[in-house]
Amino acid sequence: DTAVSQTPKYLVTQMGNDKSIKCEQNLGHDTMYWYKQDSKKFLKIMFSYNNKELIINETVPNRFSPKSPDKAHLNLHINSLELGDSAVYFCASSQGAEQFFGPGTRLTVL
Amino acid sequence: SQQGEEDPQALSIQEGENATMNCSYKTSINNLQWYRQNSGRGLVHLILIRSNEREKHSGRLRVTLDTSKKSSSLLITASRAADTASYFCATDEGGGGNKLTFGTGTQLKVEL
Repeated sequence: DTAVSQTPKYLVTQMGNDKSIKCEQNLGHDTMYWYKQDSKKFLKIMFSYNNKELIINETVPNRFSPKSPDKAHLNLHINSLELGDSAVYFCASSQGAEQFFGPGTRLTVL
Repeated sequence: SQQGEEDPQALSIQEGENATMNCSYKTSINNLQWYRQNSGRGLVHLILIRSNEREKHSGRLRVTLDTSKKSSSLLITASRAADTASYFCATDEGGGGNKLTFGTGTQLKVEL
């Protein structure tokens, strides 16, 4: 009964490939987020969706495309992966101010 | 530069001691939150303090907020080895969407 789950936990891929990370929450929250945490542990928001509608879209390359098929899922698709995309990606959800984070997906681009 | 900068970057203490971490931010805020991140894990919400509050307690945690100085501190009393983690402050500027801007984090190590 994990609250916010992400798959896969680890993703190793070659430059130029396309990959997806999936996120699901069973908390019944309306809002979901994607964050990127770099090697220095700096955490920055990328996107947020409220009830399947895009609310926040930070300055993120358009190679990154979030998709929310329903309010319990927010997936992240990344095209033409670059070395600089290597990071840990966290999904989160919230109903109020407090955000609940998933365990993270460590993406390594070779 | 980042909205939230934390000080110190790293802190090492003995079990039973108190740990204090500070966070400074740049813009006006709706609320400020503290999160903990254990190594290799996601972030866990610890406590939220609203802009009209000055101090808040939760168990062994005490948070203060000084909006005139744009700073906050997190005090963990009687620390335990299990408190070893990175601690982040995050500010909600109230622009909508619950957008949080995270600080740089303090890495706390509590030794036995």
